[in-house]
Amino acid sequence: NAGVTQTPKFQVLKTGQSMTLQCAQDMNHEYMSWYRQDPGMGLRLIHYSVGAGITDQGEVPNGYNVSRSTTEDFPLRLLSAAPSQTSVYFCASSYPQGANTGELFFGEGSRLTVL
Amino acid sequence: GNSVTQMEGPVTLSEEAFLTINCTYTATGYPSLFWYVQYPGEGLQLLLKATKADDKGSNKGFEATYRKETTSFHLEKGSVQVSDSAVYFCALRSNFGNEKLTFGTGTRLTIIP
Repeated sequence: NAGVTQTPKFQVLKTGQSMTLQCAQDMNHEYMSWYRQDPGMGLRLIHYSVGAGITDQGEVPNGYNVSRSTTEDFPLRLLSAAPSQTSVYFCASSYPQGANTGELFFGEGSRLTVL
Repeated sequence: GNSVTQMEGPVTLSEEAFLTINCTYTATGYPSLFWYVQYPGEGLQLLLKATKADDKGSNKGFEATYRKETTSFHLEKGSVQVSDSAVYFCALRSNFGNEKLTFGTGTRLTIIP
């Protein structure tokens, strides 16, 4: 059982470039989300989705775009990368009840550096 | 708004030592509280949780008690092992509306043999 798979694990970008962080889960979870982790800041919610075709903003959505065309996939797009987006990104999923109870399943993280 | 404050790390202990990682919170109402753990090279995983005051969550020898009077959820383990080396995150979820998880900054724990 693969769980939540994130790719790439590491990426270096130049300011202004665009890229997509991929997230896929094979647990048939309806709820998926993206967090970023920065030193001294904990994990902050970027965007989330409660099902295919439905997305919503989290705490720090600016500069990021998401879509949810299938239950399995929830890509995170950086349209024009900025150094402030240097961070470790985590994708997490759960059943709807898990989203409400806080029981999330996380990917291994993607470390992004923007020069 | 909601917030979680964790003791700053890193924390280094010898094997079989007693562990406490402090966590306090600010939230409206009666939140649910969680500890997540991130082992090296892996994603976060739920370690334990408590959903109401005086509840004790426990797993893998770790315990944490929901203390409403002190707004705390300290993580404890009586005898740590090298395999407990990881980053530990305290988190809360308010039970009002559709609130999402609020995480602390994480505490890196290293156990030396």
